[in-house]
Amino acid sequence: GAGVSQSPRYKVTKRGQDVALRCDPISGHVSLYWYRQALGQGPEFLTYFNYEAQQDKSGLPNDRFSAERPEGSISTLTIQRTEQRDSAMYRCASSLAGQGVGELFFGEGSRLTVL
Amino acid sequence: EDQVTQSPEALRLQEGESSSLNCSYTVSGLRGLFWYRQDPGKGPEFLFTLYSAGEEKEKERLKATLTKKESFLHITAPKPEDSATYLCAVQAMDKLSFGAGTTVTVRA
Repeated sequence: GAGVSQSPRYKVTKRGQDVALRCDPISGHVSLYWYRQALGQGPEFLTYFNYEAQQDKSGLPNDRFSAERPEGSISTLTIQRTEQRDSAMYRCASSLAGQGVGELFFGEGSRLTVL
Repeated sequence: EDQVTQSPEALRLQEGESSSLNCSYTVSGLRGLFWYRQDPGKGPEFLFTLYSAGEEKEKERLKATLTKKESFLHITAPKPEDSATYLCAVQAMDKLSFGAGTTVTVRA
């Protein structure tokens, strides 16, 4: 596709349910990043991949959060047993660079609301 | 821990009124400083990368500069279409750490 695609764009779920957020990066981009952005704040790093390898997951808040990129392309961020504090905009970004960051291309985001 | 502080939080300008945004940072081993623009409801869009003190980059009415402790984004003769949130980010290792942004509103 022309840009980074994320789905769903909006997700409303009840506390305790699991959610999966999907990111389809720009074709050929080696690196894929997940960020979380609260209203009025800058994006907060969660985790990133080079190809299918998860390089850094230090930003994941706790063990309810996990991410995978099994074939080095599409990635899924999964949140288990959601809590109200998980409500936020989740953004995916991809980069051509395999080492370092380079220029990040962000998707439109998935807005998660936990009731 | 990397820290990025942007000021002011909000800036209201009259069309044509030039101004500057500040980004001060603390990072161990800066590999790059990035400026992004974010429109409401959209993802951040890349503007500039600066790598070393003294470096400057320009794009239309925007000019970014870098010192060892801070970066400035100068907006010259802004137009209403320059209204957006401008985010600064620093790279240490292989990830970006973002500031909270400065929201710029330019009135016609």
